[in-house]
Amino acid sequence: DSGVTQTPKHLITATGQRVTLRCSPRSGDLSVYWYQQSLDQGLQFLIHYYNGEERAKGNILERFSAQQFPDLHSELNLSSLELGDSALYFCASSVGQGGTEAFFGQGTRLTVV
Amino acid sequence: DAKTTQPPSMDCAEGRAANLPCNHSTISGNEYVYWYRQIHSQGPQYIIHGLKNNETNEMASLIITEDRKSSTLILPHATLRDTAVYYCIVRVVFVGGTSYGKLTFGQGTILTVHP
Repeated sequence: DSGVTQTPKHLITATGQRVTLRCSPRSGDLSVYWYQQSLDQGLQFLIHYYNGEERAKGNILERFSAQQFPDLHSELNLSSLELGDSALYFCASSVGQGGTEAFFGQGTRLTVV
Repeated sequence: DAKTTQPPSMDCAEGRAANLPCNHSTISGNEYVYWYRQIHSQGPQYIIHGLKNNETNEMASLIITEDRKSSTLILPHATLRDTAVYYCIVRVVFVGGTSYGKLTFGQGTILTVHP
């Protein structure tokens, strides 16, 4: 158990819909990272938040957005969903900004039908 | 971040040492070598990291060549539970006050441990 909690574990939704994925980092970790893993793209970095502020963006679509709340949990919002958005979405946390040792959650498996 | 090259797959007998190579010939002086693994669609798991000295922890050893252009992750006594995809990642952590927390994953090496 990494100490990072992601909910829900599985999500099935229809094209065009909007979903919210939630991540609770390890106690004391200020950084949260989101990654997407699809069969054809592998593990891709989406976005990094540190203590409530956005620190870096990767290949995150404009239809996707994220935020980190004062209690340090984070949410990834995916809207206007397409079939190609079906993937595993992982959240990771680390103590500092450099992600020296990042701890990953078990992921949310999103299926868009 | 420097690019890494890993063999797509490797096999190892249970109880033997698993030696996973990684080539990072374009590594810069301020880039670290990190290893993570992912067991069957679970979240990636941190294993070890190093800059230029060899490192050892309870999971593995990391051997970095003197010129830092390649490294080897060693699992000293592989078990069936070590079957996973192993990722070698080379990355900067901090430069000039700017942090680089993201991890850039390649395709990794699929390690299969056989009974």
